[in-house]
Amino acid sequence: AQSVTQPDIHITVSEGASLELRCNYSYGATPYLFWYVQSPGQGLQLLLKYFSGDTLVQGIKGFEAEFKRSQSSFNLRKPSVHWSDAAEYFCAVVISGTYKYIFGTGTRLKVLA
Amino acid sequence: DARVTQTPRHKVTEMGQEVTMRCQPILGHNTVFWYRQTMMQGLELLAYFRNRAPLDDSGMPKDRFSAEMPDATLATLKIQPSEPRDSAVYFCASGLVPANTGELFFGEGSRLTVL
Repeated sequence: AQSVTQPDIHITVSEGASLELRCNYSYGATPYLFWYVQSPGQGLQLLLKYFSGDTLVQGIKGFEAEFKRSQSSFNLRKPSVHWSDAAEYFCAVVISGTYKYIFGTGTRLKVLA
Repeated sequence: DARVTQTPRHKVTEMGQEVTMRCQPILGHNTVFWYRQTMMQGLELLAYFRNRAPLDDSGMPKDRFSAEMPDATLATLKIQPSEPRDSAVYFCASGLVPANTGELFFGEGSRLTVL
């Protein structure tokens, strides 16, 4: 069955430090891949997506992610974290054809001043 | 500014009571999802609809949960009878597929507490 794994439940980084959030998926074909962010008390907002083509994709708020087929990964990165980036981050895979979205369990990011 | 609207935002009820959550998807979107979010399970897909037809409700406890789309502007999720383990935040999301954006738009959620 298709699944998404986010191995890190919590991550704490200092403001200005770099960030990498891990995401691994299980799917037979090349999936559509997404990263969403959820601020407290809010719904999810799209950060970036990968459908095909260039494996390094840019998103909003200075985030980027790289699709690595050989590792079944789609890790999210940011060179310098800001305090406002503290939130929960979700990786998602969409099963092509059905457009069924499967989300990972999320990674909660804490940013130290 | 188009957005997904969910009601109620908060609901506290007693075990055994019926709960109905409503969602107004973005006008023109043809796909609607219901998710449940808990600390332990994260975001669980309960059901989703395409053009108002249910495509998959395998994530939903069938004996007590039901999901419908009476029309294109309204999706409902009903729990009857409710149980304490149903306490969670329920999200509705809508999207337009197939589309080159693939983005889902989420409502702000309905926080349910069952006592």
